[in-house]
Amino acid sequence: SQTIHQWPATLVQPVGSPLSLECTVEGTSNPNLYWYRQAAGRGLQLLFYSVGIGQISSEVPQNLSASRPQDRQFILSSKKLLLSDSGFYLCAWRGVGAEAFFGQGTRLTVV
Amino acid sequence: RKEVEQDPGPFNVPEGATVAFNCTYSNSASQSFFWYRQDCRKEPKLLMSVYSSGNEDGRFTAQLNRASQYISLLIRDSKLSDSATYLCVVNRGGGYQKVTFGIGTKLQVIP
Repeated sequence: SQTIHQWPATLVQPVGSPLSLECTVEGTSNPNLYWYRQAAGRGLQLLFYSVGIGQISSEVPQNLSASRPQDRQFILSSKKLLLSDSGFYLCAWRGVGAEAFFGQGTRLTVV
Repeated sequence: RKEVEQDPGPFNVPEGATVAFNCTYSNSASQSFFWYRQDCRKEPKLLMSVYSSGNEDGRFTAQLNRASQYISLLIRDSKLSDSATYLCVVNRGGGYQKVTFGIGTKLQVIP
C-alpha cells in the first residue's frame, strides 16, 4: 500500500533563516505530488504541484520554492523565512481516482 | 468567484441530530468530487468520494447536483466524534492536475 512521509512534524525557525521540508512517497511510481499551506483558521492553499521529476508548477508567487529531485521525493524550500511563512505545511500525493492523500504535516512557526 | 465555496460555520448541533453541508463549485467541467475530514491540528483525511448517483457510507450520505453545481454531505445521528472540519474537494479531471479544496465547514456536536 502507498504511504507518504513528511518531516519534521514541528519546526520553529527565526526570521531570515532557510527552510527545507521533505516529503517522500512509497508504494507508487510517478505520483502527482502537492505542497499545501494552511494558515491558522484558514483553508488549504495550494503552493506547488509536480507531475514528474524536475517538473514544478507554482500556484502563487511567494517566498518559497519546490523541487522534485527523485520520482517519489518532493522538497519545499526557502532561502529566507518571513513571519508570514508560518503555517501548517502539508504534502500530498494524488491517487488514481484523483483523490489526494496527505502526510502528517509540518507545523512551522517563524519567530 | 472562488473555485470552491463552503460556509465555514461553525455548525453547532446536538448529539443525535442530522446536519447537512453544501459546497458549490464554479467550473462546470469539474469531474471528481470528494469530502474530507480534518481534525484539529491534523492532516485532512478522505471521508468519501461523491458519485453522480449519490452514495452512502453508514451515517454519511454524499450527493452531487451538477445542474446547480454543488455537492452535499449529510450526517445522520451525529456523534460527538463527528466534531471536525469537513472539506469539499473538486477536481477538473482529465489532464488538469490541480486538486482544489474548499475552506472547510466546522462542525461541533454538543452533548
